[in-house]
Amino acid sequence: AQTVTQSQPEMSVQEAETVTLSCTYDTSESDYYLFWYKQPPSRQMILVIRQEAYKQQNATENRFSVNFQKAAKSFSLKISDSQLGDAAMYFCAYRNTNQAGTALIFGKGTTLSVSS
Amino acid sequence: NAGVMQNPRHLVRRRGQEARLRCSPMKGHSHVYWYRQLPEEGLKFMVYLQKENIIDESGMPKERFSAEFPKEGPSILRIQQVVRGDSAAYFCASSRSTGNTEAFFGQGTRLTVV
Repeated sequence: AQTVTQSQPEMSVQEAETVTLSCTYDTSESDYYLFWYKQPPSRQMILVIRQEAYKQQNATENRFSVNFQKAAKSFSLKISDSQLGDAAMYFCAYRNTNQAGTALIFGKGTTLSVSS
Repeated sequence: NAGVMQNPRHLVRRRGQEARLRCSPMKGHSHVYWYRQLPEEGLKFMVYLQKENIIDESGMPKERFSAEFPKEGPSILRIQQVVRGDSAAYFCASSRSTGNTEAFFGQGTRLTVV
């Protein structure tokens, strides 16, 4: 069974600085998707970034980028130029692509606080 | 295009009562997933439904929990005879089709059992 591990329950960063959130996963599949979701206090789950395992190039969305290391099964999220609005819970998630209707498997999350 | 709509946002039930959680998927989406989030935890998959069919309920507790997605109307997650351990946030997500398409989440229903 696939698992997702986030080893940092809490992280903090100052405005304008850079922070990296860690995520490791375990799977025997060769093709899959990885995601980072943001959950602010409103509870809304917001997709931040998505990575397809067959793509070697790391995904980037504005200030958010990932470091995808397939052999190491590592998928970290880097937030550059941190803003107060980035404060939230961040979840790493995994999904097989080969099975119809496959659900997301989430890590336990990392709470990110941003100070001014 | 409205997003995934869940209601109610907050639900309080006494032990032994029934809880009904509703989810209206995004327009054009026929696939619905329910997840549960316990305090300080990530979301855990419960059930996956298509219109009028339960496709995968491997994450659903065997007793007291049921789900449906009728031909007309929202998907319903039903919890009978609630207990304190059922207190959690319940999220619904919908997608247009299976495979490599994104699932969009609702804002969740916070169930509190007193």
